Amino acid sequence: AQSVSQHNHHVILSEAASLELGCNYSYGGTVNLFWYVQYPGQHLQLLLKYFSGDPLVKGIKGFEAEFIKSKFSFNLRKPSVQWSDTAEYFCAVRVDDKIIFGKGTRLHILP
Amino acid sequence: SAVISQKPSRDICQRGTSLTIQCQVDSQVTMMFWYRQQPGQSLTLIATANQGSEATYESGFVIDKFPISRPNLTFSTLTVSNMSPEDSSIYLCSVGGLGYEQYFGPGTRLTVT
Repeated sequence: AQSVSQHNHHVILSEAASLELGCNYSYGGTVNLFWYVQYPGQHLQLLLKYFSGDPLVKGIKGFEAEFIKSKFSFNLRKPSVQWSDTAEYFCAVRVDDKIIFGKGTRLHILP
Repeated sequence: SAVISQKPSRDICQRGTSLTIQCQVDSQVTMMFWYRQQPGQSLTLIATANQGSEATYESGFVIDKFPISRPNLTFSTLTVSNMSPEDSSIYLCSVGGLGYEQYFGPGTRLTVT
């Protein structure tokens, strides 16, 4: 069965630190990949998405992710985090018409 | 992106009762989805609801427990039937976007006592 693995369940960083959240998926076919974010008290929002073309995709709020097909990975990055980035981040893969989510990574930024 | 609202936002229900959750979208959409997010867990797809056809349920979810209606292109309901404490969860509806992404509602937080 298809699955999505997020390596870190809980990450704590100081402001201005660099961020990389790992995501791997298990599916050999064509995939669409997403990162969603859920800020405290808010609903899930789309952060960025990859469909085809340039494997480095840029999203909102300075986030980017790189699709590495050979590694089945889609890691999320941000060069300098802010306190407002405190949230839960979900990696997801679209297979057929369904989206499969990872278990999420809780990111806590210390001011 | 679509704007999605859900009612109720939260509820506390007694074991054995049923709760119907409503999902309203501000534009017509073909596909709507219902998810469950249990405490500390990721989102799990319950079913896909297309207007004019029966909902398609994922493994582990059945129509008798989670009946779904989709009367038009902007509205859907999910009923959680004969509830038990294990049904305590956040229930979310989502809609498909033009680029295969999904947009989510604010969720309904259900507690079963």
